[in-house]
Amino acid sequence: KQEVTQIPAALSVPEGENLVLNCSFTDSAIYNLQWFRQDPGKGLTSLLLIQSSQREQTSGRLNASLDKSSGRSTLYIAASQPGDSATYLCAVRRGDSSYKLIFGSGTRLLVRP
Amino acid sequence: GAGVSQSPRYKVAKRGQDVALRCDPISGHVSLFWYQQALGQGPEFLTYFQNEAQLDKSGLPSDRFFAERPEGSVSTLKIQRTQQEDSAVYLCASSHDRGQPQHFGDGTRLSIL
Repeated sequence: KQEVTQIPAALSVPEGENLVLNCSFTDSAIYNLQWFRQDPGKGLTSLLLIQSSQREQTSGRLNASLDKSSGRSTLYIAASQPGDSATYLCAVRRGDSSYKLIFGSGTRLLVRP
Repeated sequence: GAGVSQSPRYKVAKRGQDVALRCDPISGHVSLFWYQQALGQGPEFLTYFQNEAQLDKSGLPSDRFFAERPEGSVSTLKIQRTQQEDSAVYLCASSHDRGQPQHFGDGTRLSIL
């Protein structure tokens, strides 16, 4: 059974810092991995999607990497801003291209002005 | 509309009452998903529709939970004889097809007193 773990559960940093959020999964047979952002009281906004054949994806100040063999992904946020404060969730899709997303519990990020 | 719309945004019910949660997917999206998100946790899959057919209901926690999508568009998640442990945010997502990225609504926050 696929399990997804995110560390740390919460993180508080001063504005301008670069930071790394971690995601690990137990079954390396994934189809893709996706990072989402969730603001309080809101749904999920997709940030980056990495296919199983890819090593990383970049969008603006965000960079996500994937190491399937070790069951790990990281989300790197450069030059953090208060507007980045939110919960960040990673989710994997099984290797049989299953439609089910298996989510971690998220990392709550606070960027202090 | 441009995105997935869910109503109501908030629902408070007394234990034992029945509730109905509505999801309007993005127009033309064939696949529709329901997830349950407990406080401080990631979303967990409940059920999946392809058009009007409910192809997977393996995540529904009990027979008190029932979902339908009779015309292949709007979907309703019904919970009968609600219990306190049903308190959560219920998220709906839709996609062009089962393997495509899922777009999430803002959810319905259900509180059972």
